[in-house]
Amino acid sequence: GQQVMQIPQYQHVQEGEDFTTYCNSSTTLSNIQWYKQRPGGHPVFLIQLVKSGEVKKQKRLTFQFGEAKKNSSLHITATQTTDVGTYFCVVYGNKLVFGAGTILRVKS
Amino acid sequence: NAGVTQTPKFQVLKTGQSMTLQCAQDMNHEYMSWYRQDPGMGLRLIHYSVGAGITDQGEVPNGYNVSRSTTEDFPLRLLSAAPSQTSVYFCASASSPPIEGSPLHFGNGTRLTVT
Repeated sequence: GQQVMQIPQYQHVQEGEDFTTYCNSSTTLSNIQWYKQRPGGHPVFLIQLVKSGEVKKQKRLTFQFGEAKKNSSLHITATQTTDVGTYFCVVYGNKLVFGAGTILRVKS
Repeated sequence: NAGVTQTPKFQVLKTGQSMTLQCAQDMNHEYMSWYRQDPGMGLRLIHYSVGAGITDQGEVPNGYNVSRSTTEDFPLRLLSAAPSQTSVYFCASASSPPIEGSPLHFGNGTRLTVT
């Protein structure tokens, strides 16, 4: 069945450093969504990618969808303390599958 | 707009007790779903509904029941609580089923502890 692997599981960065998380699928995806969950909070939708090679930006966040539509990345430039939380991807094969998430901690 | 409202925020149950987690949305969304979130694991789908009167099982349905009598409400019932059901539960809704790519709107969650 549909599986998605998200790496790394955890990352601790100094404020101002960049951060990247990756989602890799065993099969071709129709689309991929990214969510952010603050500590103690609920997941909040960030963006959806649909097209092969698509790149979308939201301020310091850059989202990419691989050419083969099997992987995606979320890159944060110059992290801030407000970026802390868990970032996870969501894909749909024959069912909705959530990545396990990457926990981001930012040292100020 | 209230969005998705979940109650209660916290609950402690003894093994064998039953309870209902409430979920309501005011966005006229057809799709509603329940997830549990455990440390180190992705959200796992318990049950979902694509409209009033229609429900189906997700990945981990055992020990849980749902009903969808109205578009707005989608309660989750724990029939006989077990310690393995200690988790954080999220309700989420979307304007259409996930296959169509609609974003999920999550409630604030219910933290359940079963002793």
